[in-house]
Amino acid sequence: DARVTQTPRHKVTEMGQEVTMRCQPILGHNTVFWYRQTMMQGLELLAYFRNRAPLDDSGMPKDRFSAEMPDATLATLKIQPSEPRDSAVYFCASGFRGNFSKNIQYFGAGTRLSVL
Amino acid sequence: KQEVTQIPAALSVPEGENLVLNCSFTDSAIYNLQWFRQDPGKGLTSLLLIQSSQREQTSGRLNASLDKSSGRSTLYIAASQPGDSATYLCAVGEYGNKLVFGAGTILRVKS
Repeated sequence: DARVTQTPRHKVTEMGQEVTMRCQPILGHNTVFWYRQTMMQGLELLAYFRNRAPLDDSGMPKDRFSAEMPDATLATLKIQPSEPRDSAVYFCASGFRGNFSKNIQYFGAGTRLSVL
Repeated sequence: KQEVTQIPAALSVPEGENLVLNCSFTDSAIYNLQWFRQDPGKGLTSLLLIQSSQREQTSGRLNASLDKSSGRSTLYIAASQPGDSATYLCAVGEYGNKLVFGAGTILRVKS
């Protein structure tokens, strides 16, 4: 049963600490997305990659957020230093973008981050 | 900038009712439109995807329609069940696979 795996599922940290969230996309998918969900803003796209290359990170605060894909099986989202306003659920999604693909995105269960 | 609006924000219905969830978007230059379901504390599950060239898609008791020119989509749920209780999210697909989400409709089906 192919699925997007995110770790950790929950993270509580103190303001100023570094936070790293990890995502394992579905094998064979060439596009990976990072979203953030809050009550106030809903679901927002932070960044996405195709074939491991960043295509758009305009939704991400550049001064403290960074996203990478060290290899095809791992995507990371890092916050340094973290702030209370970063508290949210962070979702990773993957999909396959091709000429005849349906472009469906498959979501992980999310990482619930609380910054105290 | 694309904006997606979902109405109603919340809906409570008795079991067995047919219901309609509405989604509107401001820019008709879309690639596709997806309806998702989100259960509390869980990720999103894709329910239906309508390509921009299509008018509707059906899966079981769910039917989604798309009218690109008017910037509207509806999700029709037939014979609702308590297990349908969840938040339903509409997302417009833009070029490059980017999704712009609505705020969602919280559905509660009472037994």
